Amino acid sequence: AQTVTQSQPEMSVQEAETVTLSCTYDTSESDYYLFWYKQPPSRQMILVIRQEAYKQQNATENRFSVNFQKAAKSFSLKISDSQLGDAAMYFCAYKGRNNNDMRFGAGTRLTVKP
Amino acid sequence: KAGVTQTPRYLIKTRGQQVTLSCSPISGHRSVSWYQQTPGQGLQFLFEYFSETQRNKGNFPGRFSGRQFSNSRSEMNVSTLELGDSALYLCASSLERHSTDTQYFGPGTRLTVL
Repeated sequence: AQTVTQSQPEMSVQEAETVTLSCTYDTSESDYYLFWYKQPPSRQMILVIRQEAYKQQNATENRFSVNFQKAAKSFSLKISDSQLGDAAMYFCAYKGRNNNDMRFGAGTRLTVKP
Repeated sequence: KAGVTQTPRYLIKTRGQQVTLSCSPISGHRSVSWYQQTPGQGLQFLFEYFSETQRNKGNFPGRFSGRQFSNSRSEMNVSTLELGDSALYLCASSLERHSTDTQYFGPGTRLTVL
């Protein structure tokens, strides 16, 4: 079974600084998709970024980028120029090619200090 | 385009009762997935519906059931409620069942069982 591990329950970053959230996963599949979702205190889960396993190039979305290491089964999220609005729970998620149920990590609570 | 909507947003029930939660997907989305979020177990997949058929089911007892209507709206039912069913129930929709499709989440229904 696929599992997703986020080893950092909490992280904090100074406003305008850069922070990296870690995620590792375990799978025997070769084709899959990885996601980072953000869940602010309002509870609405928002997609931050996604990565297709077959793509070697790391995905980027404005201030958000990933470091995808397929062999190491690692998928970290880098947030540059952190803003107060980035404060939230961040979940790493895995979705296999042949199913539509996502496996989530336990989450990392990010605090942004002004 | 309107996002995923869930009703009600908050619900309080007592043990032994049953409850029905509703989810309206993004217009044009045909796949609806349900997740349970608790502090102890995190985010866990409940089931997925596509074309009015349950396509995938997580490891939950038979008290948890669902259905999907021809307009893709979905309902989730929990019978004989237990204290441990207190959770945030999230619904997510995606365009189809393709592995490339991203799931977009609703705001959730907070269920409290007393």
